[in-house]
Amino acid sequence: GENVEQHPSTLSVQEGDSAVIKCTYSDSASNYFPWYKQELGKGPQLIIDIRSNVGEKKDQRIAVTLNKTAKHFSLHITETQPEDSAVYFCAAAEGDTGKLIFGQGTTLQVKP
Amino acid sequence: GAVVSQHPSRVICKSGTSVKIECRSLDFQATTMFWYRQFPKQSLMLMATSNEGSKATYEQGVEKDKFLINHASLTLSTLTVTSAHPEDSSFYICSARDGRPVGQYFGPGTRLTVT
Repeated sequence: GENVEQHPSTLSVQEGDSAVIKCTYSDSASNYFPWYKQELGKGPQLIIDIRSNVGEKKDQRIAVTLNKTAKHFSLHITETQPEDSAVYFCAAAEGDTGKLIFGQGTTLQVKP
Repeated sequence: GAVVSQHPSRVICKSGTSVKIECRSLDFQATTMFWYRQFPKQSLMLMATSNEGSKATYEQGVEKDKFLINHASLTLSTLTVTSAHPEDSSFYICSARDGRPVGQYFGPGTRLTVT
């Protein structure tokens, strides 16, 4: 089955700096890679996703890149703001079942 | 669009009792719903997948007789934790998928505390 590794586990940046979170996956059949933001005591919120036929996707300050050959994908947040502070999870959809397999999570702290 | 609700948001129950958690898709029909469990500072662990009108598929290690899942309609799935024990205390999150093959919308979660 699919296995997703996420790094770093914690990330602290100054407001205005960029933040990068990286994930690797094992199942070459995986074709969908969402990123979720989870605030304390709340459910995960989808912030961006990418499918395997695309190498990069942007939405304002957020971008995701995918390298299918290397089986890794990354989340890039530019011009970080304190409200970006949260736990971020990457996930990969298993090729045969469509089930989401989550990474371990990254706690992002943006210092004002 | 694509809103998923859960009820209750928090529940405290005594050991040995059963608790039901509801998950509803408010503005779309959910052909598939998923139930996850999340311990503090950990990732989401998939417990089971439920399709409307059929039996749920449980992940390895999840007791199907303890965690009863019912997906009676295209907008409602329920998770019942039977004979709850303190170790069942956790954050339970549901998600729903519409007719597309991938992509899930998550509910706000239910904090279960068993005393």
